[in-house]
Amino acid sequence: GAGVSQSPRYKVAKRGQDVALRCDPISGHVSLFWYQQALGQGPEFLTYFQNEAQLDKSGLPSDRFFAERPEGSVSTLKIQRTQQEDSAVYLCASSLALGDQPQHFGDGTRLSIL
Amino acid sequence: RKEVEQDPGPFNVPEGATVAFNCTYSNSASQSFFWYRQDCRKEPKLLMSVYSSGNEDGRFTAQLNRASQYISLLIRDSKLSDSATYLCVVNGRDDKIIFGKGTRLHILP
Repeated sequence: GAGVSQSPRYKVAKRGQDVALRCDPISGHVSLFWYQQALGQGPEFLTYFQNEAQLDKSGLPSDRFFAERPEGSVSTLKIQRTQQEDSAVYLCASSLALGDQPQHFGDGTRLSIL
Repeated sequence: RKEVEQDPGPFNVPEGATVAFNCTYSNSASQSFFWYRQDCRKEPKLLMSVYSSGNEDGRFTAQLNRASQYISLLIRDSKLSDSATYLCVVNGRDDKIIFGKGTRLHILP
């Protein structure tokens, strides 16, 4: 497809389980961003990549969160030992280059931790 | 002070009216400013960039006030379809893109 694709759309997990969220950016987009959006809040920056390099991970809330983009295209956000406060929509966005707008967003993965 | 602040609203406005909301930012070195729109349970989408001289796109006007460190969005002749959350976006420290929490707008028939 032409847009940013995220999977799964919905994920329900029990507290303590590990989850992996996938983002397939627009082909050729160098920059890839992950955001966390809680209900009623704006997207909160988690991390971003330029190609395969993770240039900023200052927004990751704890060391349970890990992101990678090994070949500079598809990215995976992994959350280990999930907690209830991890429940949110996880948005992925890509752009041609850092600072470019618009950032094209995927539909997001809605994560619910029981 | 938060890096980007917005009035969460909701703003309840009758159809056809004009509505405006502001967004303040803390990083005086910010260079890029944008308004995004987010519909319920949908992803954010770019509405318009904000330029130093101010810019207009149809019924929408965006302005930047560097001295007071705020940007504004004005919507004229509001339509029911304008109901959404409007997110202010600013490049923060280290060029990181920072989203505001959004302003909810309800256009009433």
